[in-house]
Amino acid sequence: EVQLVESGGGLVQPGRSLRLSCAASGFTFDDYAMHWVRQAPGKGLEWVSGISWNSGSIGYADSVKGRFTISRDNAKNSLYLQMNSLRAEDTALYYCAKDMGLAVRGVIIHWGQGTLVTVSS
Amino acid sequence: EIVMTQSPATLSVSPGERATLSCRASQSVSSNLAWYQQKPGQAPRLLIYGASTRATGIPARFSGSGSGTEFTLTISSLQSEDFAVYYCQQYNNWPTFGQGTKVEIK
Repeated sequence: EVQLVESGGGLVQPGRSLRLSCAASGFTFDDYAMHWVRQAPGKGLEWVSGISWNSGSIGYADSVKGRFTISRDNAKNSLYLQMNSLRAEDTALYYCAKDMGLAVRGVIIHWGQGTLVTVSS
Repeated sequence: EIVMTQSPATLSVSPGERATLSCRASQSVSSNLAWYQQKPGQAPRLLIYGASTRATGIPARFSGSGSGTEFTLTISSLQSEDFAVYYCQQYNNWPTFGQGTKVEIK
């Protein structure tokens, strides 16, 4: 059974940093691209970032470009999101998500349950 | 960035009736279009990809159509478990989602 378990969320002040982690199990991690998708409270889905199986292709939404960095460690079956210069509008539930294939296509076939990030003073 | 626009924002439908949801892209995305279902307190679930291919385990009452900039998700006969929010998403470029259509009980 595919499992994606996010951690690292919490309350953080504007301008500070936070690092999210996602532990993957139940599938061959380095056979798939991975994503972070977020959902602000009561709002819709927003793709944040994606990374290919070998980290050779990485993309970011314009809203986070230059502030967030996605990475993965295939030896540890783990996905990360380093979030710097956080803003109030980054407040959301952050989902770790598994793509359909090796490349960053964007067809998301499995989702974690999310970790909540709240940016507030 | 490709902007995805869904309509209507809310659709009121009686159980057993057909529901038709629309999604428009600001530029052509070919057939690189997916639909997701999200119920309250749950993560989204993939329904359709490639504009018309049902994901594994998705019932045949869900169907997708369209290409280019105009897409439709049809639920042929709404079941109680189908009342939820539906999102379209393009993946022709870096992914973007529509704002969602809430399907509620009439």
